[in-house]
Amino acid sequence: GESVGLHLPTLSVQEGDNSIINCAYSNSASDYFIWYKQESGKGPQFIIDIRSNMDKRQGQRVTVLLNKTVKHLSLQIAATQPGDSAVYFCAENSLSGGFKTIFGAGTRLFVKA
Amino acid sequence: DAGVTQSPTHLIKTRGQHVTLRCSPISGHKSVSWYQQVLGQGPQFIFQYYEKEERGRGNFPDRFSARQFPNYSSELNVNALLLGDSALYLCASSYGVLETQYFGPGTRLLVL
Repeated sequence: GESVGLHLPTLSVQEGDNSIINCAYSNSASDYFIWYKQESGKGPQFIIDIRSNMDKRQGQRVTVLLNKTVKHLSLQIAATQPGDSAVYFCAENSLSGGFKTIFGAGTRLFVKA
Repeated sequence: DAGVTQSPTHLIKTRGQHVTLRCSPISGHKSVSWYQQVLGQGPQFIFQYYEKEERGRGNFPDRFSARQFPNYSSELNVNALLLGDSALYLCASSYGVLETQYFGPGTRLLVL
């Protein structure tokens, strides 16, 4: 079946370094991709999104790259801070056959001070 | 501005019982989606409603149902609860169907 998965379940980085979290997806019909951050005891928090007609989008300290050729999505966090420690999820949304969204399993990011 | 609100925050039920969870979207948002998140996993999509109509459904049994009211708030109902229904139930709202979703804090359901 269709799925969104993550390559690395856990990522540990030094404060100030850049972080890269990767995600693979399998539904070529997906229209919209989102990265969420989830801290313990809270709901997912929107970080950045990208439409399928784009390959790069930048926000404040974050960049999302979309490679449709290999069905790969990545989140880059610049100058990672302790407050960035959380679980990060990628999600793909599609409207084909009705709205559907699929979340990946998540990557836990540890930022060492 | 108030974000997405959900009630109750926590709930304990026994097997076979029924539960109703409630969600109020961000003001101006017309779409509400429901997710189930089991500990250690990503959220699983249950339903999406837009303008009071179901616009999407995930792979959940018919024991799960939902509806959206004229004020765009929503309820998720689960009948004949099973132990495996224990999870965090998340509600998210958005302006439209394929727009940025903003999540509430969730309702933690424990089925004994």
